[in-house]
Amino acid sequence: DIVMTQSPDSLAVSLGERATFNCKASQSVLYSDNKNYLAWYQQKPGQPPKLLIYWASTRASGVADRFSGSGAGTDFTLTISSLQAEDVAVYYCQQFQGSFGQGTQLEIK
Amino acid sequence: EVQLVESGGGLVQPGRSLRLSCRASGFIFGDYTMGWVRQAPGKGLECVGFIRSKAYGGTTEFAGSAASVKGRFTISRDDSKGIVYLQMNSLQTEDTAVYYCARDVVGGYFWVGADNWGQGTLVTVSS
Repeated sequence: DIVMTQSPDSLAVSLGERATFNCKASQSVLYSDNKNYLAWYQQKPGQPPKLLIYWASTRASGVADRFSGSGAGTDFTLTISSLQAEDVAVYYCQQFQGSFGQGTQLEIK
Repeated sequence: EVQLVESGGGLVQPGRSLRLSCRASGFIFGDYTMGWVRQAPGKGLECVGFIRSKAYGGTTEFAGSAASVKGRFTISRDDSKGIVYLQMNSLQTEDTAVYYCARDVVGGYFWVGADNWGQGTLVTVSS
């Protein structure tokens, strides 16, 4: 089974600054179709998660373009280019078998 | 509009069984992989499992699930009714969580990402 590890556990960033989240898989999530099966979600309190990115770098429908994903194989990054107040949330990664990382809490500095 | 509505949650004693349902509407249900995710109070997201569409054999996947779930939980689907089920047996206090139903964005063999979620149903396991 693939274990997903996110870092850091929490992150404080100033408004307008860049926020970077990391996710590491215990084995590659790159499949033979040359796609990396890695998704990123945002979850705010009392709400279900919201899909931000899938296939490591494809932005989901309706997601603001300040969110971007990168990486391949076992190491992945989610970046918020310019932090907005509404981005305060917990961010999770997930791989193709379904398991999630433990989450990263994002706060405003 | 895609809608996913879970039902069947509630208070259950340890050792008992419970079946959750998720009724889908607004899309061709049979074309999509459907999954269950749970979240214990104040904790992170945990994959329960997912079921592929008939095009991919209608098979279930629990490789990404917590070890404690494997062998106790099963997932099934009724494409004629647009419902996916989660059968939970031998429930333990650690199974207390909000259980979410989710639809995969692509609906292929592997889980790609959940683009639609229900609001969740709370399962409380307690004596």
